Amino acid sequence: DGGITQSPKYLFRKEGQNVTLSCEQNLNHDAMYWYRQDPGQGLRLIYYSQIVNDFQKGDIAEGYSVSREKKESFPLTVTSAQKNPTAFYLCASSIQRGWDSNQPQHFGDGTRLSIL
Amino acid sequence: LAKTTQPISMDSYEGQEVNITCSHNNIATNDYITWYQQFPSQGPRFIIQGYKTKVTNEVASLFIPADRKSSTLSLPRVSLSDTAVYYCLVGAHTNAGKSTFGDGTTLTVKP
Repeated sequence: DGGITQSPKYLFRKEGQNVTLSCEQNLNHDAMYWYRQDPGQGLRLIYYSQIVNDFQKGDIAEGYSVSREKKESFPLTVTSAQKNPTAFYLCASSIQRGWDSNQPQHFGDGTRLSIL
Repeated sequence: LAKTTQPISMDSYEGQEVNITCSHNNIATNDYITWYQQFPSQGPRFIIQGYKTKVTNEVASLFIPADRKSSTLSLPRVSLSDTAVYYCLVGAHTNAGKSTFGDGTTLTVKP
């Protein structure tokens, strides 16, 4: 079955430590996204990528970094500069066609990050 | 960017029709309206998408008036399993990645 796989499901970070969240998709989608969700709130966009080797900052990119070396993979690194990293992180992907707007986003099941 | 406004919460009973309205006063010409459903500790799931008038699929209908400044998600005959958070998203490919999720509407279906 095609889909998006996020790992790990739960992740713990020590103070001052960088951690990387994995996101892999086998849907052959061009665009990929990372969102952060805090309890009782909506999703906020961290980074997105429309094509390999290119990505743009979203609304809350500070303290995060990404890479897009392969179409299938879009890992997110939560750096020590992110002072409040405890949240639910969601990865998504979508088809990106120039002539076809607004393809729906397909989401993974998230990674819950906590501070030790 | 089109900002959306939805009710924070709604209650319903099993078997009833539920209508959730989303306001998007500054929707742009190229923007589509997309609704997602999210259960706790899961990623959102696509429900329905539309540009104008009415769209219907096997799980919901989407009503969009001529001015497109609002939209209504209609869920027929809800069940307990429809208890979830529903998000209205407005955006266009030309602003890829710039569509904004609001705080959503928490729907609680009671027996």
